[in-house]
Amino acid sequence: SQTIHQWPATLVQPVGSPLSLECTVEGTSNPNLYWYRQAAGRGLQLLFYSVGIGQISSEVPQNLSASRPQDRQFILSSKKLLLSDSGFYLCASRGPSTDTQYFGPGTRLTVL
Amino acid sequence: ILNVEQSPQSLHVQEGDSTNFTCSFPSSNFYALHWYRWETAKSPEALFVMTLNGDEKKKGRISATLNTKEGYSYLYIKGSQPEDSATYLCAFPTGNQFYFGTGTSLTVIP
Repeated sequence: SQTIHQWPATLVQPVGSPLSLECTVEGTSNPNLYWYRQAAGRGLQLLFYSVGIGQISSEVPQNLSASRPQDRQFILSSKKLLLSDSGFYLCASRGPSTDTQYFGPGTRLTVL
Repeated sequence: ILNVEQSPQSLHVQEGDSTNFTCSFPSSNFYALHWYRWETAKSPEALFVMTLNGDEKKKGRISATLNTKEGYSYLYIKGSQPEDSATYLCAFPTGNQFYFGTGTSLTVIP
């Protein structure tokens, strides 16, 4: 099975500061990778997905961007954080031979 | 953006009670329906992948059914235990994307 690593686990950042969240995957090659956010009291919202290196699809317009510099590395970034960026961010992977998504431990981001 | 809905939003049951909740999804272009269990401070964990109309899958005291023609899936928990307390998510994949419901938060009271 796949193992998803995410860091940091928690982050408190001031409004206007930059953001970089990293996700790496073990146990598969050429996975589809996903970034989700759960805002307070809401479900999981798909932010970005990637089917390969350098290929990023954005599901909703927002203050965030994503990059996939390597096959098993997915990065979520922002140049200037907003209060509304606060939430719980999950990275997920789906390998080519499975329909199941495997999730990382998540990052709790608080923007003050 | 597809509409995947779950009900109820939250549920409190006594230990030993059986319970069930619903996921509704678009019935056209159906491929699969996934159920996940998400415990606090942990990652969502896959429970079932349902693909065929009329499917019923079981894992211990948890089971799920699927009706693709009318666009719903039920998740059942028999004899709920405190360790079943979690948020249960369903997800509808389409292409490379997954659309998640908002989840049902289950609290089992000892």
